[in-house]
Amino acid sequence: DVVMSQSPLSLPVTLGQPASISCRSSQSLVYSDGDTYLHWFQQRPGQSPRRLIYKVSKRDSGVPDRFSGSGSGTDFTLKISRVEAEDVGVYYCMQGTHWPFTFGPGTKVDIK
Amino acid sequence: QVQLVESGGALVRPGGSLRLSCAASGFTFSDYYMSWIRQAPRKGLEWISYISDSGSSTNYADSVKGRFTISRDNAKNSLYLQMNSLGAEDTAVYYCARTARLSDNWGQGTLVTVSS
Repeated sequence: DVVMSQSPLSLPVTLGQPASISCRSSQSLVYSDGDTYLHWFQQRPGQSPRRLIYKVSKRDSGVPDRFSGSGSGTDFTLKISRVEAEDVGVYYCMQGTHWPFTFGPGTKVDIK
Repeated sequence: QVQLVESGGALVRPGGSLRLSCAASGFTFSDYYMSWIRQAPRKGLEWISYISDSGSSTNYADSVKGRFTISRDNAKNSLYLQMNSLGAEDTAVYYCARTARLSDNWGQGTLVTVSS
């Protein structure tokens, strides 16, 4: 199975400041169709996961533009340009290239 | 808008069975692959199965293969997960999700607790 790792696992941030989460996969996530199926999810406390970013860098409808994704191959990053209170939660990267699809362990973002 | 509503979660004894359902609305259900994903208490996420749009193709994680069966009824816009030989390790919130590789919409989840 493809192992997804994330760092840091805990990220205390100051409101209005930027934040960055790294995600690495044990294999390349480039699929046979040329796309890279690396996505980012946000899980707010008490809620189900919500997709924020798909295929590395495409932002989902309704997701604020302070969220951005980048990377290629096996190294990916989620950035929040200015953290807001509503961004508190756990962020997961997920690969949909190789079965079984797998998630990273999650990065808990909270406010300092 | 896309809506996925899971149901059927319950407290079940080890070795028991349970059938989860997911009612879909707001999109053409028969056009999409569908998936089940679970999250054990205070743990991460585990993808357990997906089914093709027609229902002709399925895939399972090793942890549930041979015990769980995914199915769908496109006429009823519904997805199912039949779970047999349940063990404590199956205790989790179970989510249905639209699509497989892209996983773009999730339901609110249903809790399955396996305990004596």
